[in-house]
Amino acid sequence: AQKITQTQPGMFVQEKEAVTLDCTYDTSDQSYGLFWYKQPSSGEMIFLIYQGSYDEQNATEGRYSLNFQKARKSANLVISASQLGDSAMYFCAMIRISGNTPLVFGKGTRLSVIA
Amino acid sequence: DTGVSQDPRHKITKRGQNVTFRCDPISEHNRLYWYRQTLGQGPEFLTYFQNEAQLEKSRLLSDRFSAERPKGSFSTLEIQRTEQGDSAMYLCASSLDMGVLNGYTFGSGTRLTVV
Repeated sequence: AQKITQTQPGMFVQEKEAVTLDCTYDTSDQSYGLFWYKQPSSGEMIFLIYQGSYDEQNATEGRYSLNFQKARKSANLVISASQLGDSAMYFCAMIRISGNTPLVFGKGTRLSVIA
Repeated sequence: DTGVSQDPRHKITKRGQNVTFRCDPISEHNRLYWYRQTLGQGPEFLTYFQNEAQLEKSRLLSDRFSAERPKGSFSTLEIQRTEQGDSAMYLCASSLDMGVLNGYTFGSGTRLTVV
């Protein structure tokens, strides 16, 4: 079974600084995808970034990048130049491509950006 | 396209009553998912449809829960004889096929409070 672990319940970062949110995963599959979602206080889940298990380069989307270390089974999210609007819950999630199973989420990290 | 719509946004009900939630996915998405999210937790998978077929149900989905997706368009999630433990945010999401690369698109959720 898949499992996502996010060990940081809460993080603080100064505005304009970079922050790393940790995510480790457990799977025996070779073909899988990793996602990060943002959930503001309004409740909607916003897709941020995707990394495939066979992708050789780390994914980047604007200020978001994913530090993918396959051997360590980690997929940390890096947010550069933090903004006040980045304050939210962040969830790491995983999908088994070969098994055709739905997204499994971690428990999340609450990020607070301080002015 | 206006994204995934969920109705109602909030529902307060007395224990023992039945409730029904509706989800309208993105029109070209063939997969629709229901998740439940309690405070401080990540979303937990409940069930999903491919077109009108319900392909998987979680063990979290007790006999009191039923979901339908007639004609492969909108979906309803019904909870019969609600219990206080059913209080949660119910999230609907849709995707084109497995949702790899672009992830799932989530609605804003229905917050259920059972009193």
